[in-house]
Formats: sequence, C-alpha cells, structure tokens
Amino acid sequence: NAGVTQTPKFRVLKTGQSMTLLCAQDMNHEYMYWYRQDPGMGLRLIHYSVGEGTTAKGEVPDGYNVSRLKKQNFLLGLESAAPSQTSVYFCASRRTSGTYNEQFFGPGTRLTVL
Amino acid sequence: ILNVEQSPQSLHVQEGDSTNFTCSFPSSNFYALHWYRWETAKSPEALFVMTLNGDEKKKGRISATLNTKEGYSYLYIKGSQPEDSATYLCAFDGTASKLTFGTGTRLQVTL
Repeated sequence: NAGVTQTPKFRVLKTGQSMTLLCAQDMNHEYMYWYRQDPGMGLRLIHYSVGEGTTAKGEVPDGYNVSRLKKQNFLLGLESAAPSQTSVYFCASRRTSGTYNEQFFGPGTRLTVL
Repeated sequence: ILNVEQSPQSLHVQEGDSTNFTCSFPSSNFYALHWYRWETAKSPEALFVMTLNGDEKKKGRISATLNTKEGYSYLYIKGSQPEDSATYLCAFDGTASKLTFGTGTRLQVTL
C-alpha cells in the first residue's frame, strides 16, 4: 500500500496562475482532507470530503476549490494564485468503519507563489 | 472556530530528561482527542486517540492522559532521546468527521 500520496511535491507559481494539487489514497477511506501549514499556525483545514461526490468548506476555504469525483482522489485547485497561498499543503484520509479513527497524512506539497 | 491550545510552543531538553506538555480543548461536544507526532520534513503520524475521561494511553516511553470535564490532555515523554525531537500536535474531534488541530509543541532533545 502506498498510503496517501500527493502530486507534485514542489511547485513555484506566479501570481494569477492556476494549478491543481492531486491527493490519492489506496486505503478505501471515505473521508479526505486538505490542510495548509504555515509557521506558527499549525494545520488549518481548507476543504474536506466525507464521500465520493461530496465536499465541504473548512476553516480557510477562500481562494480554493476541490473535487472528489473518485473515492480515491481529492483534488485541490487554485484558480488564481496569490502570494498569501504560499504554504505547505497536506492531504489526509480517514476510514469510517469502527470509531475514533486517526487520519493518515500525505508527504506534503510545498507551494511558492511569487 | 474551536480553540485548541498547546503549551509550551517549544521545549528544549537534554537527553534523559522527562518532559510533558499540555493540550487544552473545549469541554463540550467532545468525541475524541488525537495526538500526532510530526518530524521535520515528514508528515504527521498518529500516536494516540483518546476518548474517555480518565483515559491513559502508553506507547514505549510516551504516554498521555485525558480530562474531558476540564478540557485538557497531557503528553509525557520519559527519558527523552534525540529521536524524540519532533512537533507534537493534538487535535480535537467533536464531530467524528473533522479534526481541529492545535499549533503544536516543538520538542528538541540534545545530547
């Protein structure tokens, strides 16, 4: 099992450019999440999904869109990148069978917006 | 927005020292409290999921306690080693679908 993977690992964008970050998991988890990590801010939830075809806003959703067309994939889109979106982005997934399940995280994507 | 606070922000100890840090969270609508270990340049990994008031969990030299009535959890590391150097995150689980993370305690253990 690869677990949770993220593509790409690094990216540099210019202000106004768009891009999509891909998260994939092979654990058949229902829930998937996108976080951003900034110095002194911890992990902040951007968007999440509780199943294929569903998405919901987290704490800091502005400037981002997401899609969950397939259960194993969760895409995070930046339509018009801004320097404030420079961050490290982490994807995570979580199963729903049983209770009190932990999240499994991907390796992160480091994004710089110039 | 839920308030999950961790203290101290950072900690520097010598090898062999025992240490502890705190996570405080809302005492209402509690479902579970998660602890994660996050090494530099890696991704967070789950340490414990704690659910009941008075819960105690242990993994090797690391243990944690939970007080849901007053809204806090302690993480203890006994006999710290350099490989324990990491950021320790706690996360409040109030809905069973998403977690609210604290900002973490960064631990550095030196020889």
